[in-house]
Amino acid sequence: KAGVTQTPRYLIKTRGQQVTLSCSPISGHRSVSWYQQTPGQGLQFLFEYFSETQRNKGNFPGRFSGRQFSNSRSEMNVSTLELGDSALYLCASSDLDRGRGVNSPLHFGNGTRLTVT
Amino acid sequence: AQSVTQLDSQVPVFEEAPVELRCNYSSSVSVYLFWYVQYPNQGLQLLLKYLSGSTLVKGINGFEAEFNKSQTSFHLRKPSVHISDTAEYFCAVSVRPRMDSSYKLIFGSGTRLLVRP
Repeated sequence: KAGVTQTPRYLIKTRGQQVTLSCSPISGHRSVSWYQQTPGQGLQFLFEYFSETQRNKGNFPGRFSGRQFSNSRSEMNVSTLELGDSALYLCASSDLDRGRGVNSPLHFGNGTRLTVT
Repeated sequence: AQSVTQLDSQVPVFEEAPVELRCNYSSSVSVYLFWYVQYPNQGLQLLLKYLSGSTLVKGINGFEAEFNKSQTSFHLRKPSVHISDTAEYFCAVSVRPRMDSSYKLIFGSGTRLLVRP
């Protein structure tokens, strides 16, 4: 099976712009989570989607949004970019319904490295 | 609130020596613990997990971890490390903020394992 695929791998944007990152989960996985990784804050949870519904959200401003499509692919969008949004954005998929009390390990993609100048 | 503490930001060790990476957690509910490894320019890869049962958990690449409830610890160990083990290691706890929300991972700040020849 192919792993989690994130595109693009690298992005350079300027302040004030918006950006859309894409994630294709492992085939058959219906849960997709997004994390932000920075040297200062470490790994921070952004949100999680399952069957096109957002089930959990981290403590990020409303500029950060996401969605999931019927084929489980997910996108996250960051509007009005700030310098502090520079980070590695990681997507992870899971093969079980995490909301029904079942824990299933996350399978991570290689991330999209966003640089805001 | 649940949290994970990795006290050691960097652990240098010589090749073929044993290593222990420390992880302590705080959680007032059922605990699900994970160790992930991140190689340069890659996403996170699951090393091992503790969901229930035996407190000694064996993972990939010769790593193992022991869940100690009384000490709220989940330390990662390897009896003999290789140069290729040089990477960043993250301990994580899976938490569910509310009964109607999904689980999310809370990560520690990471420990960089540096294996020297």
